[in-house]
Amino acid sequence: NAGVTQTPKFQVLKTGQSMTLQCAQDMNHEYMSWYRQDPGMGLRLIHYSVGAGITDQGEVPNGYNVSRSTTEDFPLRLLSAAPSQTSVYFCASRRRQLGTDTQYFGPGTRLTVL
Amino acid sequence: GQQLNQSPQSMFIQEGEDVSMNCTSSSIFNTWLWYKQDPGEGPVLLIALYKAGELTSNGRLTAQFGITRKDSFLNISASIPSDVGIYFCAGQLSDGGSQGNLIFGKGTKLSVKP
Repeated sequence: NAGVTQTPKFQVLKTGQSMTLQCAQDMNHEYMSWYRQDPGMGLRLIHYSVGAGITDQGEVPNGYNVSRSTTEDFPLRLLSAAPSQTSVYFCASRRRQLGTDTQYFGPGTRLTVL
Repeated sequence: GQQLNQSPQSMFIQEGEDVSMNCTSSSIFNTWLWYKQDPGEGPVLLIALYKAGELTSNGRLTAQFGITRKDSFLNISASIPSDVGIYFCAGQLSDGGSQGNLIFGKGTKLSVKP
């Protein structure tokens, strides 16, 4: 199993550009989510999905879109990048009912918006 | 949104010292997870706790699920240089609040004493 994979690992954008951060998991997890990590702020939830075709907003959704057309993939789109979106982005997946399982994280995408 | 208070925010360790950190909340949780994040990497699960009072070890690490279900602590015994990093607690509310999403503390940064 590859677990949770994210691409790209690094990205530099200019203000106003758009891009898509890719996330995929091969564990057949229903639940997938995107976080951003900023110094001193911990991990903040952007969007999440409890299954294909279902998405919802987290704590900091503005400026981001998501879709979930398959169980495996959960891309995050930046519509018009702003310097405030400079951050490290983590994708995560788990079973919908946490039960005795845990949440797995990808390696992260480091985004700089100039 | 819901808050997890994680302390201390940062600490310096000398090799061989024991380390203790904790997370508290005013809400009741049914799951506590402890993650470690190395620089440039995603968080990796250290210990998962699923029952009140549960005490679980993973090598030199020990974590407990508080009996009130509102707190958890993580201890590291006989620290070594590779223990440096950021440690996060995460919990899932027992009443299904926050749509079942994990709530994260802001992290405890472990550094080596100069």
